[in-house]
Amino acid sequence: DVKVTQSSRYLVKRTGEKVFLECVQDMDHENMFWYRQDPGLGLRLIYFSYDVKMKEKGDIPEGYSVSREKKERFSLILESASTNQTSMYLCASSRPTGNYGYTFGSGTRLTVV
Amino acid sequence: SQQGEEDPQALSIQEGENATMNCSYKTSINNLQWYRQNSGRGLVHLILIRSNEREKHSGRLRVTLDTSKKSSSLLITASRAADTASYFCATDARMGGKLIFGQGTELSVKP
Repeated sequence: DVKVTQSSRYLVKRTGEKVFLECVQDMDHENMFWYRQDPGLGLRLIYFSYDVKMKEKGDIPEGYSVSREKKERFSLILESASTNQTSMYLCASSRPTGNYGYTFGSGTRLTVV
Repeated sequence: SQQGEEDPQALSIQEGENATMNCSYKTSINNLQWYRQNSGRGLVHLILIRSNEREKHSGRLRVTLDTSKKSSSLLITASRAADTASYFCATDARMGGKLIFGQGTELSVKP
């Protein structure tokens, strides 16, 4: 069964901490994405990557960075966590050509206190 | 950026009834996709319809696409309590590109 695995289901961090959210996929997908989901705002794209070591900003990249050193792993980094980054974070992967859906991970619910 | 907007925001029906959710978007697309999300979990891809298609079926799901009106609908027939979830439409403006999601329709199916 193909999978996107996010390292933590729930995470509680303190304001100012550096936070790493890890995502691993086993489908050899080129494309990987990070979204955050908030009530009333839907899913918003933070960063995405079309290949190893490549990254592109999404709609809300401020306060975040990403790393993709290996094809199967896409990490989201909160450089200095703030309370407004409390959210559900969703990782997804897809094939590079169109007309295929995304495969999502189960999500990480991050609380910054 | 373009965004799908779902209507209604919430829908409550009885088991066995049909559920219809609508999605509108703003710019031209290559495809439109529907996803389902159970409470607190990740999204699951349900169905994809290309811009040159008008209707697509998958089991109890029927999706229509009207590119002239920039709208799509998802019909779930003979709904079950297990269909209770949030449903999102997402648009792909370029092949293999990023998806833009709507805010979702929350479906509640009562036994």
